[in-house]
Amino acid sequence: DTAVSQTPKYLVTQMGNDKSIKCEQNLGHDTMYWYKQDSKKFLKIMFSYNNKELIINETVPNRFSPKSPDKAHLNLHINSLELGDSAVYFCASSQVRDPYDTQYFGPGTRLTVL
Amino acid sequence: SQQGEEDPQALSIQEGENATMNCSYKTSINNLQWYRQNSGRGLVHLILIRSNEREKHSGRLRVTLDTSKKSSSLLITASRAADTASYFCAPCNAGNMLTFGGGTRLMVKP
Repeated sequence: DTAVSQTPKYLVTQMGNDKSIKCEQNLGHDTMYWYKQDSKKFLKIMFSYNNKELIINETVPNRFSPKSPDKAHLNLHINSLELGDSAVYFCASSQVRDPYDTQYFGPGTRLTVL
Repeated sequence: SQQGEEDPQALSIQEGENATMNCSYKTSINNLQWYRQNSGRGLVHLILIRSNEREKHSGRLRVTLDTSKKSSSLLITASRAADTASYFCAPCNAGNMLTFGGGTRLMVKP
C-alpha cells in the first residue's frame, strides 16, 4: 500500500491557469508538508501543516495555498501559474511525536507551465 | 540559512568501493537526516542522527556528526550499482522543518 500518494503524476498547463495537486497519506501522521524541487535538484520547503498550525516559508508566493480537508490530505492550490512554477512538487508527512521525526515522501508531481 | 550543503555535487566510483559524502550547515540543529532519491522518484529516509550523537550505523551506512564544525558525513561501504542515486542531507530544527541542499549525485559503475 502506498504510504504517501500524489495526483496527478504529471501536469502540463498554460500560464495564468489555476491548478491543484492532491496529496494523501495513510500513515496516520499528524503533519504534512509540501516541497518544491527545481531543475538544479534543490528541494525547498513550502509549507508545514498540522491541525493546529500552518507554517509558511516566507519565500513562497501567495498564489500558492495549502488546503487540508482532513488530517490525511493536504492539497496544493496554485493560482495564476507562471513559467517559474515549473518544477517537481513533493508532498511528505511525519508524526511529530515520533521520536525519529522522519518524513515520508510521495512520488512527486512534475508540473510544466507553458 | 539552515540549508544543508552537500559536497561533492557529483561522485563516480566503481562497485565495491566506498563512497563518502559530506554535508555542512550553518545554524543549530535538533537532528540531521540523510535521504536518498532515485531518478524520478520521491525521497526515501536513510538515517537520522541526533545532535547529541557523534556516529551512527545502519547496514552499510555510517553517518558522523560534528556539531562544533556544523558538518556531517555519510559513508556507504562496499557500494553497489543499486546505490546509484542522489543523496541529500537535511538539518532539522526544533520545529521539524527540514531544509535540503542540491544533493550529491552518486554513480556506482558495475
